[in-house]
Amino acid sequence: GAGVSQSPSNKVTEKGKDVELRCDPISGHTALYWYRQSLGQGLEFLIYFQGNSAPDKSGLPSDRFSAERTGGSVSTLTIQRTQQEDSAVYLCASRGESNTGELFFGEGSRLTVL
Amino acid sequence: GQQLNQSPQSMFIQEGEDVSMNCTSSSIFNTWLWYKQDPGEGPVLLIALYKAGELTSNGRLTAQFGITRKDSFLNISASIPSDVGIYFCAGHPLGRKLTFGTGTRLQVTL
Repeated sequence: GAGVSQSPSNKVTEKGKDVELRCDPISGHTALYWYRQSLGQGLEFLIYFQGNSAPDKSGLPSDRFSAERTGGSVSTLTIQRTQQEDSAVYLCASRGESNTGELFFGEGSRLTVL
Repeated sequence: GQQLNQSPQSMFIQEGEDVSMNCTSSSIFNTWLWYKQDPGEGPVLLIALYKAGELTSNGRLTAQFGITRKDSFLNISASIPSDVGIYFCAGHPLGRKLTFGTGTRLQVTL
């Protein structure tokens, strides 16, 4: 499709398990962001990839969180040893070359940690 | 780092009323964006502003880029039930990552 695609749309896991969330950005977009949104809350920045530059990881809440972007396209957000407080919607967004800040969001991956 | 203060946090209004929300930052931004998020979906861009003083409309929505470049407001005229959702402002300092406001939750009653 033409938009940002995220999978899975819903993930239920047990505390202590690892999870991987995937983001397929819009083709040709050089910037990719991950955000976390807890129920009824705002957007919490996690990590930002821009082209071949080193990612901005300043928003990752702990070392259990990591993300990679392979080939400048698909990105995977990994949460190790999940905790209940990790339950949230994880949103991915991409942006083209214009650098004017117009992000296009996916529909998110809802993570529930039991 | 930059902080974006968005107000009000939530609003309950009657259908047909006008709505106003604003966003202020502690530093200068080169771009202001307004997004709307419907339940269960990702935010969608409503209006983008690129110049201080710029006033832009999109249907019943009007947004302005403040002269000081540290604020922006969004107005919705004659609200309808489908305006329900969370509205986010976002500011983009040139060459730096986008920063989002805390959101305004809008509820519209008949």
